[in-house]
Amino acid sequence: DAEITQSPRHKITETGRQVTLACHQTWNHNNMFWYRQDLGHGLRLIHYSYGVHDTNKGEVSDGYSVSRSNTEDLPLTLESAASSQTSVYFCASSQGQQAFFGQGTRLTVV
Amino acid sequence: SQQGEEDPQALSIQEGENATMNCSYKTSINNLQWYRQNSGRGLVHLILIRSNEREKHSGRLRVTLDTSKKSSSLLITASRAADTASYFCATVSNTGNQFYFGTGTSLTVIP
Repeated sequence: DAEITQSPRHKITETGRQVTLACHQTWNHNNMFWYRQDLGHGLRLIHYSYGVHDTNKGEVSDGYSVSRSNTEDLPLTLESAASSQTSVYFCASSQGQQAFFGQGTRLTVV
Repeated sequence: SQQGEEDPQALSIQEGENATMNCSYKTSINNLQWYRQNSGRGLVHLILIRSNEREKHSGRLRVTLDTSKKSSSLLITASRAADTASYFCATVSNTGNQFYFGTGTSLTVIP
């Protein structure tokens, strides 16, 4: 079955370190998204991509970057992790209708 | 922000009762969707209603959409303990490619 997987599921990192969260989908969807979920804020869009080599900023993109070198993967990089980036991160993909979500990565920045 | 808002933030009901949650949004939409999130898991799609539709049913779910008021409601009938989860509305832009989620309603169904 097609799926979308995130890794790692849990990560603890230190302030200032570069961190990359992986997202891999086998739906062959063109559209991929990264969200962060924080209490009281729901899900906020960080970055999104409509296809290979396409990337776009979302509502809360500062301090994050993405790259899309193939259809299946959209890694999210925190250039210099900050405590404010402690959150649960969700990757999603879609092909126009519903979105399919990964299980999430819980990131703690200490 | 294009983020929507759900109301109430939290809802607690007895098993067998109906649960109603509301969503308000800000921009023009192509469609509106409802998702469910169990604790510690990703979101799962429940139902989609297009901007030219006013009501849609799927099993025990009933969704309404009022584009003039930029609002939607999700009704879960005959609730079960297994319905305990957070529920989010998501608006999809007219390009059909971006999803903006609300802040969610936490539903607790007491057995």
